[in-house]
Amino acid sequence: GAVVSQHPSWVICKSGTSVKIECRSLDFQATTMFWYRQFPKQSLMLMATSNEGSKATYEQGVEKDKFLINHASLTLSTLTVTSAHPEDSSFYICSASNSGRGQFFGPGTRLTVL
Amino acid sequence: RKEVEQDPGPFNVPEGATVAFNCTYSNSASQSFFWYRQDCRKEPKLLMSVYSSGNEDGRFTAQLNRASQYISLLIRDSKLSDSATYLCVVNTNAGKSTFGDGTTLTVKP
Repeated sequence: GAVVSQHPSWVICKSGTSVKIECRSLDFQATTMFWYRQFPKQSLMLMATSNEGSKATYEQGVEKDKFLINHASLTLSTLTVTSAHPEDSSFYICSASNSGRGQFFGPGTRLTVL
Repeated sequence: RKEVEQDPGPFNVPEGATVAFNCTYSNSASQSFFWYRQDCRKEPKLLMSVYSSGNEDGRFTAQLNRASQYISLLIRDSKLSDSATYLCVVNTNAGKSTFGDGTTLTVKP
């Protein structure tokens, strides 16, 4: 149990375009989902915490107008990187919390902005 | 000072060795603790939760010392497949997770 999927697994886009990443909990309901970013050889950095039906809570330094998060249901959260630039190229990972038994991560989305 | 600190390693050990990783955390209000493993270019995967009484899962033993705000992971009889980065994760009561930077383990034949 506790499977989280993420789509797409990788994406290459031109600078200035927007990219939408989906995160789904497949076999459990997740009231809270988290979005992380990881640059090469660095640790996971929490970007925002997403609660179903309410606005996401962003970490300091993360622009909420650039990284739009929607958590429309208990099984789906989306992250949209608006007007992506090369410096946004990274590994974006979502996770869903399951009753305090740790977080279960999606397989990640590797974004490359040209 | 980071909220969660780990020795980055790398730890290079031969197959069959016993290796221990340490982690310290600064927030005394932390409620739950976990070890994850992350393979190169993959997502982190939950390895085990850490309980105050200590817990064991096969070759892996996790321990928590709340007084010292210290968590450990012991791997016995290391296998080649244990090579990965091991992440210490600390949760507050509000459910916020803080990750350590990870400790890299390489098990060699």
